[in-house]
Amino acid sequence: AQTVTQSQPEMSVQEAETVTLSCTYDTSESDYYLFWYKQPPSRQMILVIRQEAYKQQNATENRFSVNFQKAAKSFSLKISDSQLGDAAMYFCAYRSALANAGKSTFGDGTTLTVKP
Amino acid sequence: EAGVVQSPRYKIIEKKQPVAFWCNPISGHNTLYWYRQNLGQGPELLIRYENEEAVDDSQLPKDRFSAERLKGVDSTLKIQPAELGDSAVYLCASSLGSFGELFFGEGSRLTVL
Repeated sequence: AQTVTQSQPEMSVQEAETVTLSCTYDTSESDYYLFWYKQPPSRQMILVIRQEAYKQQNATENRFSVNFQKAAKSFSLKISDSQLGDAAMYFCAYRSALANAGKSTFGDGTTLTVKP
Repeated sequence: EAGVVQSPRYKIIEKKQPVAFWCNPISGHNTLYWYRQNLGQGPELLIRYENEEAVDDSQLPKDRFSAERLKGVDSTLKIQPAELGDSAVYLCASSLGSFGELFFGEGSRLTVL
């Protein structure tokens, strides 16, 4: 079974600075998807960024980018120019690309605090 | 476009009582998920539907939990009887196909006393 590990329960960053959240995963599969989700307090979880394992190029979405190291099974999220609205819990998730394997496995999350 | 709608947002019950949660997915999304999220942890899948068929319910405690998705649209998750350890947030999500982006509802927070 796949596992996802987020080793940083809490992180903090100064507004306008850059922060990196770590995620490692364990799988024997070669084709899969990786995600970062954001869950603000008392609000619904939303997708931040997605990476297909077969793509070597790291995904970027505006101020959010990932560092995908397939051999190391590492998938970190970098948030540049942090804003107060980035404060939330961030979850790393894994999903197999196999047919009928639509289950996403989540890490336990990292709580990000943004200081003004 | 309306997002995933869940109700109730909050529910407090005594142990051994029944409880039900309802989810209305995004229109057109054929895949629906129920996740349970314990405090300080990530969501864990309880059941996944493709249209009206439950294709993955391996993590659903079937002795007390049940779910249905009639007509492949709305879904209901039921717990009977509830136990103290069932206190959690129950998240519903939907996607367009098994590999589409997950869209989550706001969740139903259950407290069992």
